[in-house]
Amino acid sequence: AQKITQTQPGMFVQEKEAVTLDCTYDTSDPSYGLFWYKQPSSGEMIFLIYQGSYDQQNATEGRYSLNFQKARKSANLVISASQLGDSAMYFCAMREGLSGSARQLTFGSGTQLTVLP
Amino acid sequence: DAGVTQSPTHLIKTRGQQVTLRCSPKSGHDTVSWYQQALGQGPQFIFQYYEEEERQRGNFPDRFSGHQFPNYSSELNVNALLLGDSALYLCASSLPTSGGNTGELFFGEGSRLTVL
Repeated sequence: AQKITQTQPGMFVQEKEAVTLDCTYDTSDPSYGLFWYKQPSSGEMIFLIYQGSYDQQNATEGRYSLNFQKARKSANLVISASQLGDSAMYFCAMREGLSGSARQLTFGSGTQLTVLP
Repeated sequence: DAGVTQSPTHLIKTRGQQVTLRCSPKSGHDTVSWYQQALGQGPQFIFQYYEEEERQRGNFPDRFSGHQFPNYSSELNVNALLLGDSALYLCASSLPTSGGNTGELFFGEGSRLTVL
């Protein structure tokens, strides 16, 4: 079974609008971390935001926020006020185990976001 | 402060050949991981090196091997190349285990391998 599922192969959003990218995960480990990365056409994976399984509040980093619904095992990324430079591939990833250990990440298949002018 | 650097950026090989990819981690990082990203897919974990030893390995055959040097830099070697090995190979580094860090990985821009 897939551990990370991203069901939106492609998404379009108008510039300055907000967009939500979906991510669901599957794990039996009570300790885990969830990550979102952005991959522009250059290839480099750029870290955006992190949510730990025991974190009580949803993570936020500037225009990025993570809508963490633990019971539903979902970790959706919300990008507010989209910019043309946000056009890229977005990956959700999970690390099972305690923070700082077992750093293998399992990635989803990604969502290609296109911001329209 | 230089980030993760990889070389070469692009290379073309033929089936059966061998390839070596190189990675220098971000300053202060001691753990290096390698990922394979086929076109249109998410990265797949190959293996992780810490203290010059392979610590974890994904579902990749023995044709994939690696090494970590005392300065924490790393090499990925792939023998007997197959057409299916064509992919972007990403190197990632992370902070030392102590300190309770999140386990965030810092990635390089990758080495794009084409096998003909």
